Amino acid sequence: GAGVSQTPSNKVTEKGKYVELRCDPISGHTALYWYRQSLGQGPEFLIYFQGTGAADDSGLPNDRFFAVRPEGSVSTLKIQRTERGDSAVYLCASSRGSNTEAFFGQGTRLTVV
Amino acid sequence: GENVEQHPSTLSVQEGDSAVIKCTYSDSASNYFPWYKQELGKRPQLIIDIRSNVGEKKDQRIAVTLNKTAKHFSLHITETQPEDSAVYFCAASDQGGKLIFGQGTELSVKP
Repeated sequence: GAGVSQTPSNKVTEKGKYVELRCDPISGHTALYWYRQSLGQGPEFLIYFQGTGAADDSGLPNDRFFAVRPEGSVSTLKIQRTERGDSAVYLCASSRGSNTEAFFGQGTRLTVV
Repeated sequence: GENVEQHPSTLSVQEGDSAVIKCTYSDSASNYFPWYKQELGKRPQLIIDIRSNVGEKKDQRIAVTLNKTAKHFSLHITETQPEDSAVYFCAASDQGGKLIFGQGTELSVKP
């Protein structure tokens, strides 16, 4: 079947604006992860869902960041009042369960100008 | 929380030589340790993983070793080829399932 799909692939937004990034996981995968990757760095953990609930949101940097997964499938990462420091590639991954192979999407490159 | 340190940050080897990348983790409850390869502009892809009930795992030219007592694990690539050039990331996951990544190693294999 299809892999993890993220939309949009690129997003340019003005400082202060609101953005939504979408992740379509592999069908049947209960675990979903959001990461942020800056150039030359490893993926930085943001939030992890098991089903519909956030099992761990300790990586969200502040209250401008929020993520939902209302039906246990598609997830949306929401960033309010964007700042230039939010510019990065946002990666989504899904897996059948915890501690199994996580498959990554191609990422959304967010640029805040 | 979990913290994963990875070394070296860059590694250059001649084609045919071996490459070794090392990681340490802080949370003794971590029990799953995957390794990902990321080529420029592409998504990370799993190349091998190991669970805490196993000390070593091998898949063709790639092997991973795990020392639970010392809380470190290593990736070994033998007979390196130019197409092995990429950034490699280690990660650790505890029972809760959260995956924490190392900072990455940029491997360059010179023909």
